[in-house]
Amino acid sequence: SQTIHQWPATLVQPVGSPLSLECTVEGTSNPNLYWYRQAAGRGLQLLFYSVGIGQISSEVPQNLSASRPQDRQFILSSKKLLLSDSGFYLCAWSVGTGTGNVNQPQHFGDGTRLSIL
Amino acid sequence: RKEVEQDPGPFNVPEGATVAFNCTYSNSASQSFFWYRQDCRKEPKLLMSVYSSGNEDGRFTAQLNRASQYISLLIRDSKLSDSATYLCVVTPWSGYALNFGKGTSLLVTP
Repeated sequence: SQTIHQWPATLVQPVGSPLSLECTVEGTSNPNLYWYRQAAGRGLQLLFYSVGIGQISSEVPQNLSASRPQDRQFILSSKKLLLSDSGFYLCAWSVGTGTGNVNQPQHFGDGTRLSIL
Repeated sequence: RKEVEQDPGPFNVPEGATVAFNCTYSNSASQSFFWYRQDCRKEPKLLMSVYSSGNEDGRFTAQLNRASQYISLLIRDSKLSDSATYLCVVTPWSGYALNFGKGTSLLVTP
């Protein structure tokens, strides 16, 4: 069966520090991968998605970036964190369709709770 | 108009009650629909897909009304463990940005 791992579970970082969150998926090949953010009391906001190695699409312009160095690895990064980057970061995967169609449910990792001080 | 709208609640119901949530969506070309459940400070988990003909999974029944552009979730015989936020999710015609509602909060009380 497929599993998704995300770490760390919680992170406290000072403003201006860098960030690296990692997500890996097991049990499937060529998945679509996603990074979401959920701010306190708000809905999920899609940040990035990837349909293959090295292919990243950004949904929201900001000081975050994403990379997919391997088929089942997705990394969220920042060079300098802002206070507004605080939130609950969720990685998700779905079956890769390769057709641009997203009629598949997405499955989430446990999330990283990021607090910026 | 927001892509997906849900009544935020909270819905407070006693154990054993039947409760229903609705969710409206704005894009008539939406293809697929899902209900997710999110416990406090946890990740969303897929509860069920919603099919055109309606579908049932144990105590949970999902319905889709394309003409009126809404989906519903019915929970029968509510359990304390059903307390959570229920997210309505709608896919676009193309692209990867699933549209999540902000969720409806359910509290089942003894």
